[in-house]
Amino acid sequence: EAGVAQSPRYKIIEKRQSVAFWCNPISGHATLYWYQQILGQGPKLLIQFQNNGVVDDSQLPKDRFSAERLKGVDSTLKIQPAKLEDSAVYLCASSSTSGVGDTQYFGPGTRLTVL
Amino acid sequence: AQSVTQLDSQVPVFEEAPVELRCNYSSSVSVYLFWYVQYPNQGLQLLLKYLSGSTLVESINGFEAEFNKSQTSFHLRKPSVHISDTAEYFCAVSVIKAAGNKLTFGGGTRVLVKP
Repeated sequence: EAGVAQSPRYKIIEKRQSVAFWCNPISGHATLYWYQQILGQGPKLLIQFQNNGVVDDSQLPKDRFSAERLKGVDSTLKIQPAKLEDSAVYLCASSSTSGVGDTQYFGPGTRLTVL
Repeated sequence: AQSVTQLDSQVPVFEEAPVELRCNYSSSVSVYLFWYVQYPNQGLQLLLKYLSGSTLVESINGFEAEFNKSQTSFHLRKPSVHISDTAEYFCAVSVIKAAGNKLTFGGGTRVLVKP
């Protein structure tokens, strides 16, 4: 079974530029998550989708971050414009349901450096 | 709100020695508990989780963790570590009656196994 795929693996941009990350979850998984992991910290949930609907986006900085999952499969996370403090690893995860306790499977992440 | 504290940011240990990684959580409601492992240049993988039943849970590679409700702890132990256990370990919780399946992570403990 293929795991969660993410691209690109690495991205370097200047502050105030835009960037987008792509995630393809495990086939058949209805729930998709985006986490932000700043160096030295644990991951923090940015947004959770159930199919193509948003379940939780309470910690997403909506003035600059946006995410979509239009067909309920793959997803894109965008930052516009980027700030220095957005430098982090962006992790995508998926689970078969949104049931609490359901195992989340993580992709390898995209490491973003904002200069 | 929930929070997770991992008391040790780094734990050096010799091969074949025991290791214990400490995790304490704070929550006003009941939670499920998880340990994830992140090997170098890889995504997070579930190591074990506690949902209900026996408070001692085991993983397939020799780790075990015990849920202690009175002390709000979920410490991870292994009686004899291998070089291949070198990784970063994250403790996490999710609220049992929440609408989504959000994981709240601790800051991580980096384990370095020395020969």
